Amino acid sequence: DIVMTQSPFSLAVSEGEMVTINCKSSQSLLSSGNQKNYLAWYQQKPGQSPKLLIYYASTRQSGVPDRFIGSGSGTDFTLTISDVQAEDLADYYCLQHYSYYTFGAGTKLELK
Amino acid sequence: QVQLTESGPGLVHPSETLSLTCTVSGFSLTGYSVYWVRQPSGKGLEWMGRMRYNGDTSYNSALKSRLSISRDTSKNQVFLKMNSLQTDDTGTYYCTRDMGNWGQGVMVTVSS
Repeated sequence: DIVMTQSPFSLAVSEGEMVTINCKSSQSLLSSGNQKNYLAWYQQKPGQSPKLLIYYASTRQSGVPDRFIGSGSGTDFTLTISDVQAEDLADYYCLQHYSYYTFGAGTKLELK
Repeated sequence: QVQLTESGPGLVHPSETLSLTCTVSGFSLTGYSVYWVRQPSGKGLEWMGRMRYNGDTSYNSALKSRLSISRDTSKNQVFLKMNSLQTDDTGTYYCTRDMGNWGQGVMVTVSS
C-alpha cells in the first residue's frame, strides 16, 4: 500500500501570509502512460464535507481561487496558499489515487 | 445537479452490522463510480471502497474482510455493509462521485 506522509500537522498563520503544505508518497505517483501525477488536494471546513481543490497535482478544480497552487511530481508534492484569507482556515488533505486511494493525515490551518 | 445523500442508522451496537445507503441524482451509476470514505470523529479521512461504473468493486485492504459494497441502478442507490463493528468505527461516513462531488455525510456511533 502507498503511504502518504503529510506535514505539518498544523499551521498558524495571519491573513495575507503564504503557507506551504507538503505531502510525500512512499512510491511515485507519476503515470508513465500519460505523465500525470495521481495526487489531489482537498479542503475541509468544520462540519462540512471535503472539497476538491486540486487534481493531477497542479490542476485547479473549477471555481477554486488562483491563490491555491499545487506543485510537485513523483513522490513530493506541495500545496501553496498565497495571501491566506480567513475563509481558508480549514483542514487540508492530500490524496493519492495512483494505486487505490490513500489520504495524508491532514494539516489544520489556524489563525495566529 | 449532482447530489449524493447518505442515510442509515445513527447508532449501531458493537459486533453488529452497519448498513448505509447512498442515493444519487443528477448522474447515472453506470457512467460514474461511487466511493465510500469515512472519518472518525476529530480525525482524518479513510478511503473504504469503490463501486465502479461497470459494477466492479474494490476495497481498502484493512477493511476488506468486513466490507461489502453493492448497488441498485434502477433506484440510483449504492449500499455499504460492514460487519463486526467496534467503537473505533464511530465517525462520519461519506459517499462521493469519483472523489469530486461529496454527500453531506452520515454520523454513525457504535455503542452499547
